[in-house]
Amino acid sequence: SQQGEEDPQALSIQEGENATMNCSYKTSINNLQWYRQNSGRGLVHLILIRSNEREKHSGRLRVTLDTSKKSSSLLITASRAADTASYFCATDGGTSYDKVIFGPGTSLSVIP
Amino acid sequence: DSGVTQTPKHLITATGQRVTLRCSPRSGDLSVYWYQQSLDQGLQFLIHYYNGEERAKGNILERFSAQQFPDLHSELNLSSLELGDSALYFCASSDGTSGILGELFFGEGSRLTVL
Repeated sequence: SQQGEEDPQALSIQEGENATMNCSYKTSINNLQWYRQNSGRGLVHLILIRSNEREKHSGRLRVTLDTSKKSSSLLITASRAADTASYFCATDGGTSYDKVIFGPGTSLSVIP
Repeated sequence: DSGVTQTPKHLITATGQRVTLRCSPRSGDLSVYWYQQSLDQGLQFLIHYYNGEERAKGNILERFSAQQFPDLHSELNLSSLELGDSALYFCASSDGTSGILGELFFGEGSRLTVL
């Protein structure tokens, strides 16, 4: 089964609203990453949060990590139509970097 | 542009055939990861090579094999193809020298259609 599981599977919001996506994982991790994928394109790295960090910001992105609950959330503030994409969390499953496991993703639609 | 090159971009073939997908990692990256993405399975980890050696295997079928060459490019070989092998195949590269997971840089993928 997947190491990471995103929630919700799909999200539709109006432009300007905030979008929150959640990721849960099963085993211990060294770090967790979030990626974005435009339809049919390669994934693009958004942000990395280490296991000893609780929160990280990058522009309009805010990521939190709760290792006790084995969960992370990605918040996109003031969303834009261009944010429409699928978002994936990825973890190393505690394997350092040998295996990088992606969750099934959240499909975000931002309506202009 | 991620710096990762995958060829071919599109490939249409018949069941039972064999294909080879090629990946050139970002300059200097020692790690190459292969993933399969199909509509109903998400992004499945197949295999990871580091500096020519296999580091980890995921849900890779026995009909599939991969290798990484001395110049660090990698090839994924898919044989005895079945309809269900139709998918987007991605490779991603990373530095790999720090011993912990860093950012992965993805190619644009090879879309395989098996008819």
